[in-house]
Amino acid sequence: DQQVKQNSPSLSVQEGRISILNCDYTNSMFDYFLWYKKYPAEGPTFLISISSIKDKNEDGRFTVFLNKSAKHLSLHIVPSQPGDSAVYFCAAGTYNFNKFYFGSGTKLNVKP
Amino acid sequence: KAGVTQTPRYLIKTRGQQVTLSCSPISGHRSVSWYQQTPGQGLQFLFEYFSETQRNKGNFPGRFSGRQFSNSRSEMNVSTLELGDSALYLCASSLDPLGSGRSHEQFFGPGTRLTVL
Repeated sequence: DQQVKQNSPSLSVQEGRISILNCDYTNSMFDYFLWYKKYPAEGPTFLISISSIKDKNEDGRFTVFLNKSAKHLSLHIVPSQPGDSAVYFCAAGTYNFNKFYFGSGTKLNVKP
Repeated sequence: KAGVTQTPRYLIKTRGQQVTLSCSPISGHRSVSWYQQTPGQGLQFLFEYFSETQRNKGNFPGRFSGRQFSNSRSEMNVSTLELGDSALYLCASSLDPLGSGRSHEQFFGPGTRLTVL
């Protein structure tokens, strides 16, 4: 049962433009969401998180938006840089339990 | 501060064998989670250990087991290996989320690449 879905396996964006990565979830009990970035041969690295009491969280070039009614979150990267090229995973869970469901990942390619 | 370390990095086994993977969390982290990553499936949660107790469990068969030691180091064991167990096994550590200001930020190790022939 895929409770978290990333329907775009890949995304290609020009350097300097906006990258938008999307994620959908099915479990309405989820109240905490995270994005991770993964380079080849490395473990995922935490990027940004958001709790369900907010609909937006910003950290530098990275902004996560949460639409609870649509059970949808997105990660915006502005401006995109070639070093952002990696696989991005979204994850969802409940705050009181350290158990997270991950999407299958979106491979972002930022072209110079 | 040293990151999460996992040993071995690569492992080749044959069907029917058993395997033990090791994870050393970041110093001070008491929670250790294990994930299986396969192409197209993303990361699938195996289990989480906190203070030597399994606190959360995913939907994997009983062939997959784990344990945590008093120093928070964790091991994962897979018995009677199947071809489908070939995957990257990731370990992640985090501080106790209850009362933690960082709230669930997990720090991942580089993983152990298991190949079952």
